[in-house]
Order: sequence, then structure tokens, then C-alpha cells
Amino acid sequence: EPEVTQTPSHQVTQMGQEVILRCVPISNHLYFYWYRQILGQKVEFLVSFYNNEISEKSEIFDDQFSVERPDGSNFTLKIRSTKLEDSAMYFCASSAEGVRHGYTFGSGTRLTVV
Amino acid sequence: AQSVTQLDSQVPVFEEAPVELRCNYSSSVSVYLFWYVQYPNQGLQLLLKYLSGSTLVKGINGFEAEFNKSQTSFHLRKPSVHISDTAEYFCAVSVSGGYQKVTFGIGTKLQVIP
Repeated sequence: EPEVTQTPSHQVTQMGQEVILRCVPISNHLYFYWYRQILGQKVEFLVSFYNNEISEKSEIFDDQFSVERPDGSNFTLKIRSTKLEDSAMYFCASSAEGVRHGYTFGSGTRLTVV
Repeated sequence: AQSVTQLDSQVPVFEEAPVELRCNYSSSVSVYLFWYVQYPNQGLQLLLKYLSGSTLVKGINGFEAEFNKSQTSFHLRKPSVHISDTAEYFCAVSVSGGYQKVTFGIGTKLQVIP
């Protein structure tokens, strides 16, 4: 069964450093998403991406965050200057035809900011 | 805006007993409803979804859910649980149509006791 692949599985970074979280969505999917889950809290929407542009973003997704689909296969989330409160599990998801088909999620990247 | 309330943070149940995980939603517009499952150290996997039509929805692994519009509920049920059902279960809601984001509940940890 096709999978969404995320790398790395765990990343530790110092506060103020830039991090890039990588995702390879399912190849024929058109809609891409990033969510995050702070330990013990809800899974929160960050951003959705379609047709090479952001279609919606949450208030969490401020100027420190950016997304890119650089080569038609990877989908990346960049955090420019990490804060302690960015520590969370970050999930990438993709969908073939939008939300009615449900999402396929990756296994997540656990980001720890120290 | 849409929201989801999962009324139980943890549900212990003996193996082969039935289980119901409760979910209520709030929305002023037509919605899609989902249940996702997260096994330890894995991403979220779609269990089932309600888009329209029959209010009883069957999903994978013997789970089913019933959409009740008057009570704004979408409770998940399984008549006989197995040890392998131990996981965290997330109810989620989306505005119907297109690439809309999904809003998750806080999750219910199902612990199946041998």
C-alpha cells in the first residue's frame, strides 16, 4: 500500500536554529498538509498546499514557517528560527482529491528544541 | 469554525467486550466526519468516514460509527475488541468539499485488557 514517508523520524535542534522537515507524499496525490501534535495536546492543522501554493494556513503558521515542493516529489516544512514551543510531533499528510477521501499520514517527525 | 469533543480521554475495556468511543462535533455548516487511529510510534490511519447518505458507516478492523445529526454525535463502536485494538483514536471534522482542513479532537486512548 502506498505510504507517506517522513524524514528524519527524530530531530534535536538548538533554539534559534533552522530545521527542515521532509516528506514524500503519495505520488498521485494533489493535496498536501502539515499538522503537529504537541505532547498531550490535540493534533493541530498548520498548512494545506495545492497546485504549488498554500491554500490555507492556521494562525500557528507564522512567518517562521514555510513550505515548499521543490522537485515534484518532496514536500518540506521549514522552521527558520526554532523556539522551545516548536517541540512537537510533525505529521505530513496527502490526499488524492481533497478531504472527502481522507488523508494518508506519515509516521511523523519528532522535533525536540533544546 | 468547527470543533470536536471527545468525552473520554482513556477507555479501558476487557478483551472481547464491546466498546463505544464518544465524539460530539460543533459546526454551523454541513460537515464530513472521520475517525482516525494511531498505533504507537505510527502515523494516523483512517478508520472510517461519513460524507453523506447512510448514517451508519462501517470501517476497517470491524469498527463502525453512527452519525446523529440531531445530537451532533459520531460515536465509534466495536462489538468485540481485540488486544491489537489498543491505540489512540481521534475523531475529526471537516467542512464538506474540496481541500478543507480537518479539525481533530484530543483523542481517546483505548486500552484493551487481556
